[in-house]
Amino acid sequence: QSVLTQPPSVSGAPGQRVTISCTGSSSNIGSGYEVHWYQQLPGTAPKLLIYRNTERPSGVPDRFSGSKSGTSASLAITGLQADDEAVYYCQSHDISLTYVFGTGTTVTVL
Amino acid sequence: QVQLVESGGGVVQPGRSLRLSCAASGFTFTNHGMHWVRQAPGRGLEWVAVTSYDGTTEFYADSVKGRFTISRDNSKNTLSLQMNSLTTEDTAVYYCAKDGGYYDILTGYYYFYYYMDVWGKGTTVTVS
Repeated sequence: QSVLTQPPSVSGAPGQRVTISCTGSSSNIGSGYEVHWYQQLPGTAPKLLIYRNTERPSGVPDRFSGSKSGTSASLAITGLQADDEAVYYCQSHDISLTYVFGTGTTVTVL
Repeated sequence: QVQLVESGGGVVQPGRSLRLSCAASGFTFTNHGMHWVRQAPGRGLEWVAVTSYDGTTEFYADSVKGRFTISRDNSKNTLSLQMNSLTTEDTAVYYCAKDGGYYDILTGYYYFYYYMDVWGKGTTVTVS
């Protein structure tokens, strides 16, 4: 039961910038919990992409960036590349002591 | 390198039980909480359960509470998920994931950041 809402899909041409929104509520993102992002390439396990709202793990290109404001967060991908085609999930924590994921967004490179 | 390898998946009839395992290596297992996350066919990610670094505390998603039990054996660097009273709704790929927080032996505190920084490849459970 996802409680973070994401758009089902976004698309862009190679080289363009796309953004993915993640909308939560006062019981999760709005309570001050940080937002994290995962990339799931087709047929593979999720991989941590952004943690603690804006931080990138070692090896993640700086084309990926995150931000958070109020009860929402965003992931931006600049210089879109063909191998960015994947499903992206946001994730946060909830005051009910559970972890919550977003509904997932499929990124398509045109 | 840090590695998580799940096992134990398979086909099981509704109402039966199954036990999943996750073998961890490449990091100090006893310093990190551990999660199970699942993904039903064609669906998104669903967090299932978490256990603390020392195995004394667990939390569960409402969908599995009372049926699933997460546990760990720190002497064997192994995480487990005991799944009872399985239904077709439990059909999914089950991932083991390392918590991004850590226990600091110097301070005696666990630093919570509430994310999963390393994932296994998953094991498939089919209830049918």
